Amino acid sequence: GESVGLHLPTLSVQEGDNSIINCAYSNSASDYFIWYKQESGKGPQFIIDIRSNMDKRQGQRVTVLLNKTVKHLSLQIAATQPGDSAVYFCAERPGGYQKVTFGTGTKLQVIP
Amino acid sequence: GAVVSQHPSRVICKSGTSVKIECRSLDFQATTMFWYRQFPKQSLMLMATSNEGSKATYEQGVEKDKFLINHASLTLSTLTVTSAHPEDSSFYICSAQGPDTQYFGPGTRLTVL
Repeated sequence: GESVGLHLPTLSVQEGDNSIINCAYSNSASDYFIWYKQESGKGPQFIIDIRSNMDKRQGQRVTVLLNKTVKHLSLQIAATQPGDSAVYFCAERPGGYQKVTFGTGTKLQVIP
Repeated sequence: GAVVSQHPSRVICKSGTSVKIECRSLDFQATTMFWYRQFPKQSLMLMATSNEGSKATYEQGVEKDKFLINHASLTLSTLTVTSAHPEDSSFYICSAQGPDTQYFGPGTRLTVL
């Protein structure tokens, strides 16, 4: 079936650098996308979301970019900090539905 | 922000016993809650959608009789793992549908001996 996937399973970045986490999705009916952060042993934490009528949305130190043409989603974290170390999941929600489908996850390691 | 709690956070049980996990939305009402399962180093897999006052909707491959879901109020959904076996050991996470997005609980670590 259709799914959401990620290109990189692990990403290591130096503290202070910017991080970019990528996600490919295949369900063209999805109209809502979310990025979650999950620390070890905890539930997912909402970071930022974006609807399909937008191509960019900014939060505090985070930016999500959506390219519907190639079905690609990315999360940019500015000035990455040790506290950003976690697994990041993208998730998609098809239009008209409430349930979301999670991608495979990318582990972000911040090197002090 | 919206808060979702789960209880217990950790549970260890013997094979063959049943375990109940509670999911509560603390500061908002949720007509819809979701139950996920997560194995180590894997993503979250949706098990079922819990609807207040009606039967849950299970994903393909999830046994209804094994994973009993009850959503008796707008702030509480329960997942009961019946006749648990070691292969049911996992991290169970619930979420509640808020006005704009889903909010996740902290998860429950189930270990079946």
